[in-house]
Amino acid sequence: QKEVEQNSGPLSVPEGAIASLNCTYSDRGSQSFFWYRQYSGKSPELIMSIYSNGDKEDGRFTAQLNKASQYVSLLIRDSQPSDSATYLCAVTDRGSTLGRLYFGRGTQLTVWP
Amino acid sequence: GAVVSQHPSRVICKSGTSVKIECRSLDFQATTMFWYRQFPKQSLMLMATSNEGSKATYEQGVEKDKFLINHASLTLSTLTVTSAHPEDSSFYICSARDLYLGENTEAFFGQGTRLTVV
Repeated sequence: QKEVEQNSGPLSVPEGAIASLNCTYSDRGSQSFFWYRQYSGKSPELIMSIYSNGDKEDGRFTAQLNKASQYVSLLIRDSQPSDSATYLCAVTDRGSTLGRLYFGRGTQLTVWP
Repeated sequence: GAVVSQHPSRVICKSGTSVKIECRSLDFQATTMFWYRQFPKQSLMLMATSNEGSKATYEQGVEKDKFLINHASLTLSTLTVTSAHPEDSSFYICSARDLYLGENTEAFFGQGTRLTVV
């Protein structure tokens, strides 16, 4: 069973701060990595995808991947109250015929004004 | 990002009846569809994976005769909850990927269906 671990939180940061969300995964064959945001009562929405080691930036969001350490993170700069949500880390594995994603349990983030 | 449309968004049905949920990919080919259920404050639970034109692969513990999945085209998958009971009340969410583009492709989610069985 492939495992994806996230700090369950809750993580609480003040408005304008940097929120750091972490994720580790068990399968070295993992190929693709995704961060989703899920507001309460809504379905997940894709924020970032990352496929190679290093950083990937998109606006206030930066995803970081270190395959040697089996670690992927998401940084949110200038956090806003509207960023308050549960953040889900997801990974795929190489060669899976089903193409499924393996999700962590999510980290709940609260940004207070 | 790509759009996945799921309907209905909310449904209330009587115990013993069946409910069909539709999931459509609007601007891409959904070679693979995933169906999840989520209870309040809990994580996503994968129910089944379906590839277009093939039978769905169900996760352990999910009754295939109760949760019927059809993926007849590259843009449409349906989940039918048969003989629904109150314990089937949950948030059902579909997700789709286009694996013809390779493994480095995102999965996009529908809006979800909140099912209440009374």
